[in-house]
Amino acid sequence: SYVLTQPPSVSVAPGQTARITCGGNNIGYKGVHWYQQRPGQAPVLVVYDNTDRPSGIPERFSGSSSVNTATLTISRVEAGDEADYFCQVRGSTGDPLFGGGTNLTVL
Amino acid sequence: QVQLQESGAGLVTSSETLSLTCSVSGGSLSGYFWNWIRQPPGMGLEWIGHISYSGNTKYNPSLKSRVTISLDTSKNHFSLKLTSVTAADSAIYYCAKSGGSWFDPWGQGTLVTVSS
Repeated sequence: SYVLTQPPSVSVAPGQTARITCGGNNIGYKGVHWYQQRPGQAPVLVVYDNTDRPSGIPERFSGSSSVNTATLTISRVEAGDEADYFCQVRGSTGDPLFGGGTNLTVL
Repeated sequence: QVQLQESGAGLVTSSETLSLTCSVSGGSLSGYFWNWIRQPPGMGLEWIGHISYSGNTKYNPSLKSRVTISLDTSKNHFSLKLTSVTAADSAIYYCAKSGGSWFDPWGQGTLVTVSS
């Protein structure tokens, strides 16, 4: 079965750039979606189809993808960006599949 | 702007049936898929299944034998039933809309605890 691998945690200072990775076999050929989940809240879509942003999501959030790794980049990180971030694709069966999540800490 | 709101029993006895409803406001059910996703506290996300406006369903194979998702277009809501629950089914249950392969928006979630 298809597996998505995310680092458990990433730390970054305010104003710096955070990069959160999502590893998967040939993930570069899939549509990758990213969600932000602040403590006690529901997930919110921040990037879809690898690089697109829903309306209302700041330009500081961007996505990219290479053959086996997708990356969510958050520029000029703010305290309010502290959250869990999940990647999601369609797995080998076509069903939705989530990565284990990455906790972003703003130092 | 579409909004989703889950409702249902927050405490279910082991071996009984979990029942939740997701009310959709600000838009029609037509043309989209309507999903259930769950998250055990402090853990990751698991897709449970979806239903289309026409009533076609698809379920996570790991839960397929116990899950039923249904749709009531007259009430603009859809529902989840999960039978024979155990402690492993304790989680926050979210409903979410999908048009493409992503989920947007999500409901606020409802915590369901299975007690013995």
